[in-house]
Parts: sequence; structure tokens; C-alpha cells
Amino acid sequence: QKEVEQDPGPLSVPEGAIVSLNCTYSNSAFQYFMWYRQYSRKGPELLMYTYSSGNKEDGRFTAQVDKSSKYISLFIRDSQPSDSATYLCAMTDPTHDYKLSFGAGTTVTVRA
Amino acid sequence: ETGVTQSPTHLIKTRGQQVTLRCSSQSGHNTVSWYQQALGQGPQFIFQYYREEENGRGNFPPRFSGLQFPNYSSELNVNALELDDSALYLCASSLDPLVGGQETQYFGPGTRLLVL
Repeated sequence: QKEVEQDPGPLSVPEGAIVSLNCTYSNSAFQYFMWYRQYSRKGPELLMYTYSSGNKEDGRFTAQVDKSSKYISLFIRDSQPSDSATYLCAMTDPTHDYKLSFGAGTTVTVRA
Repeated sequence: ETGVTQSPTHLIKTRGQQVTLRCSSQSGHNTVSWYQQALGQGPQFIFQYYREEENGRGNFPPRFSGLQFPNYSSELNVNALELDDSALYLCASSLDPLVGGQETQYFGPGTRLLVL
């Protein structure tokens, strides 16, 4: 079993829809949770990060972490064609040099 | 822009050869990590360097090695290339743990390596 599981999709939604992405994990030592966006043939770009459990909102993006269920989510409201990308969840255990453990990524297409 | 640059952008090598990939991070980012991203997969941690010393390593063989220099540049070296080494190689930099913020890593655009 992988340490971080993420449904690779692909996910196709119409413009304006809410995009819902999620990951599950097995390592209870993870404390920091990130979402990265990666456009084709580019490096990952940090979107959001959350420490421990809770919600965090930034514009159209909301990240949620439920440590009791080992489940994290990212919601994108009012999705735009420019949101079409691969979304990677990542998490880290501070006692292990902050190395990031990634999910496989979910490919999202927002149709105009 | 993250301020992290990598060179070259693309590279083609043949099996058995050696390759050196380079990364330049932001001033003040004393920690650099390298990741391998195979097609359709998430990045996998190779190793991390802090103040020019290896500070952690993932499940990669010793033929993957690195160097970090005082001027915020670093290198990833891979010897005896294998076909499975074909991937996007990413470096990521983060702040010095002494000042905090080290949990946030900023990635460069990557070097795409093809081994034939």
C-alpha cells in the first residue's frame, strides 16, 4: 500500500463547477499538508498548505485536513479553464527532514 | 516564479552514461531537495542537502549522488544510467530550519531526462 493515495482521475468538469479533490494517507506522523498544481511539462507550484487538522481558504481554493480519518481535500470554486492542470497532494513529517510524500496526482480539465 | 532554476531543461543520454543536473535556489534557502517524477506519477524523494551535507535520503541507490555549494547552487549526479531513470528531475528549495518555514518547498521547472 502506498503511503499517500490519490485518485488519478482524469476529472472533467464544466466551467463554473466546483472541483473536489482528495487524498488519503497512512502515516499518522504527517503534520503538514500541501496541495501543488502542476501544468504540463512544468514544475509543481504550491497552492495551499495546512498545518495539522482544520480548514484553510484562499480565494477560490479551500483545503481541509481531517487527521482522525487521515483524509485531506481541496475544493476549487467557480472553476476556470486556467485551472486545468494536475493537482498533487503532498505531506510531510517534520521529524524526517520535511521530505515530501506525494500522491500520484489528479488530472483536472475544466471545459469552457 | 519560485526563483528556483534548473539546467538543462531537456537531456538525452544512453544507458550506462553519467549525467549531472544543476539547480540554483533563492538566496537564504539553505535546504535543497531532489525528486524524481516518472510519467503519470507523483514526485519521489531522492535526497536532501542542508548546508552542503546530505540530510536525508529516499529509496534510491548510491549511483544517485549530490552536491550543494555555498552559493545556493546544487547538483544531482546519476551514474550508470538505466532506462528506468527516464523521468522529470525536480529540485526544491526551502528556508533554513533555523529561521523557520522549512516545511514549504518551492520547486524549479525540472529537467526532463530521457535514457535510450
